[in-house]
Amino acid sequence: DTGVSQDPRHKITKRGQNVTFRCDPISEHNRLYWYRQTLGQGPEFLTYFQNEAQLEKSRLLSDRFSAERPKGSFSTLEIQRTEQGDSAMYLCASSLTVGVGYEQYFGPGTRLTVT
Amino acid sequence: QQQVKQSPQSLIVQKGGISIINCAYENTAFDYFPWYQQFPGKGPALLIAIRPDVSEKKEGRFTISFNKSAKQFSLHIMDSQPGDSATYFCAASMGGGSYIPTFGRGTSLIVHP
Repeated sequence: DTGVSQDPRHKITKRGQNVTFRCDPISEHNRLYWYRQTLGQGPEFLTYFQNEAQLEKSRLLSDRFSAERPKGSFSTLEIQRTEQGDSAMYLCASSLTVGVGYEQYFGPGTRLTVT
Repeated sequence: QQQVKQSPQSLIVQKGGISIINCAYENTAFDYFPWYQQFPGKGPALLIAIRPDVSEKKEGRFTISFNKSAKQFSLHIMDSQPGDSATYFCAASMGGGSYIPTFGRGTSLIVHP
């Protein structure tokens, strides 16, 4: 399977713990995006990378959140001191910067439950 | 402030019927309007997209109608099939090197056999 993969698919953690998610994009894609999706809502943009540079961060990305893409390939999203409000599906997507709209390919997501 | 408003929240149609989902946007700087389909346990997948310089785009059973003056666009699914049962999201984005989509809240479509 050469699509976007995310790990883990599910994570249950206690409030106050730190969690880290991983995203492996489609190999030749230079852009990588992180979104958060809660029940009954569309995905909300968090941040994106072009190669290893983080180009934009949403105001949703509080200082407890940090994302990296160290070598322009896979990316990690870390949430420190998790809160119950962090419970959501975290989606990763990747794209090339060519064509109209820079079509994004989404991974299956990591579902986070904070108890 | 919700920049892309989507309706209805849920939709039930019979097999062979037409499914219609509507979206409205506020920001006139948006210049790319994709529709995504999401099945349970999967990420969204691009279904069809339109630029504001055309009023309609058709791909198979899926058609986008776009009304620039009204700032509205809609997805029509002709001859709806049970396999079309999914959540559909409209989105809008701006170019200029970004194309970060702002999504609607989604429409849960159920097509009865």
